[in-house]
Amino acid sequence: GAVVSQHPSWVICKSGTSVKIECRSLDFQATTMFWYRQFPKQSLMLMATSNEGSKATYEQGVEKDKFLINHASLTLSTLTVTSAHPEDSSFYICSALGLAGPQYNEQFFGPGTRLTVL
Amino acid sequence: GQNIDQPTEMTATEGAIVQINCTYQTSGFNGLFWYQQHAGEAPTFLSYNVLDGLEEKGRFSSFLSRSKGYSYLLLKELQMKDSASYLCAVMDSNYQLIWGAGTKLIIKP
Repeated sequence: GAVVSQHPSWVICKSGTSVKIECRSLDFQATTMFWYRQFPKQSLMLMATSNEGSKATYEQGVEKDKFLINHASLTLSTLTVTSAHPEDSSFYICSALGLAGPQYNEQFFGPGTRLTVL
Repeated sequence: GQNIDQPTEMTATEGAIVQINCTYQTSGFNGLFWYQQHAGEAPTFLSYNVLDGLEEKGRFSSFLSRSKGYSYLLLKELQMKDSASYLCAVMDSNYQLIWGAGTKLIIKP
């Protein structure tokens, strides 16, 4: 149990286009999901905290108009990178915080999405 | 299927040494990561092993044996601030991260 999936697992796009990344908790519900980005051999950098039914909370320095987050259900959050540029190329990882049961208050990580912007 | 195993919880004494093990079965291997995560904070990168052997970084060392699908994180001279969860993650052949459930390390005075 407690599986978090991300789709797509990797994506290559042209500069200026928008890319949507999905994060799903497959067998548990999560009111809170986190979005991170990771550069090679570096720590995960928290971008935003996504709460179901409300606006996401963005970390300082993260442009909310560029990284659109939607958390429409207890099992799905999406991150849209708008007008992507090469500097947005990174590994994006989501995690979900369990709402109840054995997953309560535990954080489970997705496998990541590798974004390459040409 | 792909699987990462690590102990759920460990307890150690301040000033002592603790070894957190991680075994894995994945489709391909492109490196193993160890992260430290304090409650309510983002995971902090500790180490990355892609070749067999021991990597030492101050009080923390990480070991990898690819043939055995095994790694450990060694923490020396434990301090109270080392109380945290330690996450093992393997990058598979598709460059996807497979995460362990984390080991909660409790340090006692």
